[in-house]
Amino acid sequence: KQEVTQIPAALSVPEGENLVLNCSFTDSAIYNLQWFRQDPGKGLTSLLLIQSSQREQTSGRLNASLDKSSGRSTLYIAASQPGDSATYLCAVTRGSNDYKLSFGAGTTVTVRA
Amino acid sequence: NAGVMQNPRHLVRRRGQEARLRCSPMKGHSHVYWYRQLPEEGLKFMVYLQKENIIDESGMPKERFSAEFPKEGPSILRIQQVVRGDSAAYFCASSLAGTQETQYFGPGTRLLVL
Repeated sequence: KQEVTQIPAALSVPEGENLVLNCSFTDSAIYNLQWFRQDPGKGLTSLLLIQSSQREQTSGRLNASLDKSSGRSTLYIAASQPGDSATYLCAVTRGSNDYKLSFGAGTTVTVRA
Repeated sequence: NAGVMQNPRHLVRRRGQEARLRCSPMKGHSHVYWYRQLPEEGLKFMVYLQKENIIDESGMPKERFSAEFPKEGPSILRIQQVVRGDSAAYFCASSLAGTQETQYFGPGTRLLVL
C-alpha cells in the first residue's frame, strides 16, 4: 500500500525567501507525481506533473524534482510572495492504468509580508 | 467553460440524518471521482464512476455510503445515517477520459455532523 508523507506539516517564511517542500512515498513504482495547491475553502489546482521517467519539471518560479529510487520529490518555490500562502499537496499514481491519486496530508505555507 | 461544480459547499447534519452531495463535472467530462479529506489527513479515493456505471468503489465504506452518476444530472454521493466521523471535506474530480487523464477538482463540500 502506497503511503505518501509530507514534512513539515506547516511552514512560515518571510517574503522573498525560497520555499522547499518535501514529499516522500513508500512504493517507488509510481507512474507519475503531481503537486497541487489548495486554498482555504477551495478546490485543488494542479501545479506540476512529473512523469516517472523525468527528473524535474519547471513552471515559472516553481521547480519540482523527482528521485524515484529514494522515493522523494521536492517542490521549490523561488522568491516567495504572500500570494503563495496555501496548502501544497503531493499525489502519486501507481501505473499507467491507475486513476487513483494517493495524496499526502500537505504542507501549509504562510509567507509573511 | 465552468469548472467542476459541487453543492452545497457547506452542509450541517445531525447524527442519523442523510447527507446528499452533488457534483457536476466539467462540460464534456464523463468520468467522476470522489475523494474524502478527513481533518489533518490527505485526500483518500472513494469511488470512480462513469455515466450510469460504478467502475471502482473500493475506497468507499461498505455501509451507509453510496454513489451514482445518472445519464442526466449530477453525480450524487449519499451518506445515510451520518455519524460524527463522517465530518470531512468531500471533493469531486472529473476527467475527459479515464486512466492518466488529468483530474480537475471541484471546491469541495464541507460536511459537519453534529
